[in-house]
Amino acid sequence: QQQVKQSPQSLIVQKGGISIINCAYENTAFDYFPWYQQFPGKGPALLIAIRPDVSEKKEGRFTISFNKSAKQFSLHIMDSQPGDSATYFCAASTQAGTALIFGKGTTLSVSS
Amino acid sequence: NAGVTQTPKFQVLKTGQSMTLQCAQDMNHNSMYWYRQDPGMGLRLIYYSASEGTTDKGEVPNGYNVSRLNKREFSLRLESAAPSQTSVYFCASSATAGTAYGYTFGSGTRLTVV
Repeated sequence: QQQVKQSPQSLIVQKGGISIINCAYENTAFDYFPWYQQFPGKGPALLIAIRPDVSEKKEGRFTISFNKSAKQFSLHIMDSQPGDSATYFCAASTQAGTALIFGKGTTLSVSS
Repeated sequence: NAGVTQTPKFQVLKTGQSMTLQCAQDMNHNSMYWYRQDPGMGLRLIYYSASEGTTDKGEVPNGYNVSRLNKREFSLRLESAAPSQTSVYFCASSATAGTAYGYTFGSGTRLTVV
């Protein structure tokens, strides 16, 4: 059972454009929603995270939008740059001391 | 540099061989995790240890065993490797299991079973 569904699987965006990656979850007990960024040959690294008590969180060019009623959250990358080309994973977890559940990932390619 | 160290970085095994993947963290984190990454499948949890002395199964535990040796070290053992276990394995740690704590990942072990 896939608890966190991520789309699209791959994304090509022109330099300066907006990249949007979406995730949907099923477990209403989830209360922590991070995004991780992974470059080839490296481990994932935390990019930005949100709790369900806010609808949006922004850090530089990266924004998470959260819709609790729809059980969806998304990552927006403004002014996308070639250096943003990477694989992005959404994830979710609960307070119950369990581990993060990851989506299947989105490979982003920003063309110059 | 502080972080999560995984050894080895690369390994080729024959079907039926056994091996142990090592992971150590130096951030005084309580919780540690093992994930596998396969193309199109994302990161799938194999086992995790919320605290020293405890381990729990994740989504794909079959064919694996783990040992939380101490607070720093968490090893993953393949008793009889199968081609289906060809994957990239990542170890991660966090201050504690549960919400609002970011994971620090190691650089991975690329395992091929032939």
